[in-house]
Amino acid sequence: NAGVMQNPRHLVRRRGQEARLRCSPMKGHSHVYWYRQLPEEGLKFMVYLQKENIIDESGMPKERFSAEFPKEGPSILRIQQVVRGDSAAYFCASSHRSLGGNEQFFGPGTRLTVL
Amino acid sequence: AQSVTQLDSQVPVFEEAPVELRCNYSSSVSVYLFWYVQYPNQGLQLLLKYLSGSTLVESINGFEAEFNKSQTSFHLRKPSVHISDTAEYFCAVSALGGSEKLVFGKGTKLTVNP
Repeated sequence: NAGVMQNPRHLVRRRGQEARLRCSPMKGHSHVYWYRQLPEEGLKFMVYLQKENIIDESGMPKERFSAEFPKEGPSILRIQQVVRGDSAAYFCASSHRSLGGNEQFFGPGTRLTVL
Repeated sequence: AQSVTQLDSQVPVFEEAPVELRCNYSSSVSVYLFWYVQYPNQGLQLLLKYLSGSTLVESINGFEAEFNKSQTSFHLRKPSVHISDTAEYFCAVSALGGSEKLVFGKGTKLTVNP
């Protein structure tokens, strides 16, 4: 059973370009979370999605960032017109719902560098 | 809202010594508590979690953590560390009945020296 897959592992963009980060959850998982890790910081929650629905986007910046989890295919985190401050590691996690306190399984992350 | 404080950003210890990584949290509602470990250039792996019941929880590789509600703490301990325990450790909470998003501390880098 493959774990959470993220690609690309490393992404370099110039200021003003778009970045697309992909996440394939573990088989059987229908809940996806995105987190951002800045240097010397812990992970910060960005968004929680289920298939075709955004459940909680309280951690998403108001502009330039969007996320989706379509019925078919991976979840996508999209950053438009990237700036140097967007450089970070972006982690995706997946889980399946049960009674609460579900373990979130993390992918290896995508390290975004904005030049 | 929840917040998590990990008091030590770096903890160096010698092999076979005991270690304690401290974690305190703040929340207006009940929470689940987690410890995750991150090895270099990898994602996070769950080490152990407290949901309910016994306040002492253990992992398969010798770590344990104790939930102390009165002190709002969830410190991680290991009586004898190995070189392979060198990693970054993150304490996290999620609110009961919420979206189950994790709120993380800033992490503690544990370095085990020979």
